Amino acid sequence: KAGVTQTPRYLIKTRGQQVTLSCSPISGHRSVSWYQQTPGQGLQFLFEYFSETQRNKGNFPGRFSGRQFSNSRSEMNVSTLELGDSALYLCASSSDSHLYEQYFGPGTRLTVT
Amino acid sequence: AQSVAQPEDQVNVAEGNPLTVKCTYSVSGNPYLFWYVQYPNRGLQFLLKYITGDNLVKGSYGFEAEFNKSQTSFHLKKPSALVSDSALYFCAVRDMGRERQLTFGSGTQLTVLP
Repeated sequence: KAGVTQTPRYLIKTRGQQVTLSCSPISGHRSVSWYQQTPGQGLQFLFEYFSETQRNKGNFPGRFSGRQFSNSRSEMNVSTLELGDSALYLCASSSDSHLYEQYFGPGTRLTVT
Repeated sequence: AQSVAQPEDQVNVAEGNPLTVKCTYSVSGNPYLFWYVQYPNRGLQFLLKYITGDNLVKGSYGFEAEFNKSQTSFHLKKPSALVSDSALYFCAVRDMGRERQLTFGSGTQLTVLP
């Protein structure tokens, strides 16, 4: 099976812009979670989607949003980018039978200048 | 609330020696526990998990971890380290029935010296 894929792998944006990141889960996986990884804060949970519904949300401002499509692909959007949003954004998928055994994609490295 | 502590930012070990990466957790209920590894410019890779059952869990690449409820620990171990084991290791916990997401530790950089 192909693994979790994320596009783009690298992105450079300017403060104030918005950005959309994409994640395609492993085939058959309906749960997709997003994480932000920074040197200072480590890995922080953003949100989780299951069958197009947001099931859980971390402690991030409303500028961070996401959605999931009927084919389980997911996108996350960050509006009004700030310098502190520079991070590695990781997507993870899991199957219904092993819901908390997450498989991660390679991440999208976002740099905000 | 659930939390995870990895008390060592950096662990160095000689190739061929046993390695231990420490993890302690805090939950109100029963824990699901996980170890992940991250190589440079890569996402996290699942190593092993404890859900229930035997306290000694065996995972990928010869790694194992021991669940100790009284000490609330889940240390990662390997009998003989390889240079290729050098990477960033994360412990994660989920409080069964109370939390829906994983909480990760701050990570431990393991360096295996040739």
